[in-house]
Amino acid sequence: GAVVSQHPSWVICKSGTSVKIECRSLDFQATTMFWYRQFPKQSLMLMATSNEGSKATYEQGVEKDKFLINHASLTLSTLTVTSAHPEDSSFYICSALTRTSGIGTQYFGPGTRLLVL
Amino acid sequence: EDQVTQSPEALRLQEGESSSLNCSYTVSGLRGLFWYRQDPGKGPEFLFTLYSAGEEKEKERLKATLTKKESFLHITAPKPEDSATYLCAVRRGGADGLTFGKGTHLIIQP
Repeated sequence: GAVVSQHPSWVICKSGTSVKIECRSLDFQATTMFWYRQFPKQSLMLMATSNEGSKATYEQGVEKDKFLINHASLTLSTLTVTSAHPEDSSFYICSALTRTSGIGTQYFGPGTRLLVL
Repeated sequence: EDQVTQSPEALRLQEGESSSLNCSYTVSGLRGLFWYRQDPGKGPEFLFTLYSAGEEKEKERLKATLTKKESFLHITAPKPEDSATYLCAVRRGGADGLTFGKGTHLIIQP
């Protein structure tokens, strides 16, 4: 149980284009999902918290107009990188929160590697 | 500001050679300390949650312990398939997001 998928796993795009990444919880419902970014040999950095049916909460320094998040259902959150530039190239990982015990556990997707040329 | 520091950054062991990984943390209102395993190019895989000092959790060759300032991940008689990066993360009080350490890259040689 607690499987999270992401699509696509790889994306290469030209500078200035927009890219959408999907995050799905396959066998549970998640009112809260999270988006992280990981640069090579660096830690995962929380970008934003996505709550179903409400606006996402962004971490300090993350541009909300550049990284659009939509959490339209209890199993799907999307991250759209608008007008991507080479510095946006990174490994984007989502997680979904289950609250079956205690404070809950975040289960992570397999990640999406974005390369902007 | 929350801080999570993991040591060592990298560790190379022989198969069967037990060791421990360290995670030191500074966080206001700790609401959980998490251990994850991450394989190259993959998302983190959940291992343990620890809530309070003195708590211990075990899974196969891994045991996680927690004090008020740090957590240890003990690996007993490791096998090559235990090779991965092990990540420690804390959940901040009043928020659900996780703050991660940089991880310990563990290599188990046959």
